[in-house]
Amino acid sequence: SYELTQPPSVSVSPGQTASISCSGDKLGNKYAWWYQQKPGQSPVLVIYQDMKRPSGIPERFSGSNSGNTATLTISGTQPMDEADYYCQAWDSSTVVFGGGTKLTVL
Amino acid sequence: EVQLVESGGGLVQPGGSLRLSCAASGFNFSNYDMHWVRQAAGKGLEWVSGIGTAGDTYYPGSVKGRFTISRENAKNSFYLQMDGLRAGDTAVYYCVRGVEATTTIDYWGQGTLVTVSS
Repeated sequence: SYELTQPPSVSVSPGQTASISCSGDKLGNKYAWWYQQKPGQSPVLVIYQDMKRPSGIPERFSGSNSGNTATLTISGTQPMDEADYYCQAWDSSTVVFGGGTKLTVL
Repeated sequence: EVQLVESGGGLVQPGGSLRLSCAASGFNFSNYDMHWVRQAAGKGLEWVSGIGTAGDTYYPGSVKGRFTISRENAKNSFYLQMDGLRAGDTAVYYCVRGVEATTTIDYWGQGTLVTVSS
């Protein structure tokens, strides 16, 4: 079965750029999605189809996908961005999630 | 406003059954794919089933043959029948909406807790 691999944790200082990677076999040939989940809350879509932002998502969130790696980038990271982030892709009509990355802003 | 409200969670013994329901509002339900995604305590997200606008269904290997997803467009609702439950099925189950055109999962409910324990 298809697997997506994320680093368990990423740390960033406020105002700096955070990058969260998501690796999978030939992931660049598929689309990638990204979700943000804060403690006790349901996930929120922040990036769809590699790099598109849903309405209401700040411009500091961006995405890219090439080769075997998709990347979520948060520019000018704010304390409110501290959360778990999950990547997602489709494989053979099934939804696959990465294991999640805890982003710490300190 | 899109709203997805789950119900039907609770405590069930191993080997037992449970039926989850999701009531949708704020959008034209019949035009959207719908999914169930679960999350065990302190763990990541796991997709457990999806149903298309035409009623086509999809499952991962971990639940295939045990879980059945269905929808009732007239009631703006969809369901997850879970049979042969195991301790490993214990999780918060989220109902989520899927946009067919972009295959995007865009809205999530608040979740309902399923606990499988004797």
